[in-house]
Amino acid sequence: LAKTTQPISMDSYEGQEVNITCSHNNIATNDYITWYQQFPSQGPRFIIQGYKTKVTNEVASLFIPADRKSSTLSLPRVSLSDTAVYYCLVEEDSNYQLIWGAGTKLIIKP
Amino acid sequence: DGGITQSPKYLFRKEGQNVTLSCEQNLNHDAMYWYRQDPGQGLRLIYYSQIVNDFQKGDIAEGYSVSREKKESFPLTVTSAQKNPTAFYLCASSIDPRVKGSNEQYFGPGTRLTVT
Repeated sequence: LAKTTQPISMDSYEGQEVNITCSHNNIATNDYITWYQQFPSQGPRFIIQGYKTKVTNEVASLFIPADRKSSTLSLPRVSLSDTAVYYCLVEEDSNYQLIWGAGTKLIIKP
Repeated sequence: DGGITQSPKYLFRKEGQNVTLSCEQNLNHDAMYWYRQDPGQGLRLIYYSQIVNDFQKGDIAEGYSVSREKKESFPLTVTSAQKNPTAFYLCASSIDPRVKGSNEQYFGPGTRLTVT
């Protein structure tokens, strides 16, 4: 069974690039990694999903190294509105287990 | 306007009473999920359903029950057997968890349950 580990919190400044890493040991070949953003008292919102190497969409990039023991969510040029909690999720293909990280509280300062 | 709705937003109950939380989706999604979130904590899976008339226990199913009689609806009952039911409850849906790479979960706004 995979286990996910994320930093509890991070700070950064407006306009900077922010990278949040999730460690996931024992991830299997067909397991997908997904990242979500959550604001207080709201449901999480999908950011990006990947399987290997690099995925990019209009809001973020996801980097997954060859050994797939970690993944990094990259937010380019953050703004104050990116202050939120970010969760990584590993979906285990073999038994459909959903392994959620504990979340990283990101605070963006002016 | 497609989406997933949960009602009510806030719910108050006395200890010992069962309470049912509503979750409806009009996204035509096969899969639906229930999560519990405690203050400052992450998401914990209670139950999920991949198809109508079928559901599976998640990590913390004890004290909860669900039904999936219709594709659009996945109500959660918090029973009196749940020792600490006060929490923020989130419902989600996804297209088809068996199709890899397209299983984005869409979350509802949540129901905050307080039991005293």
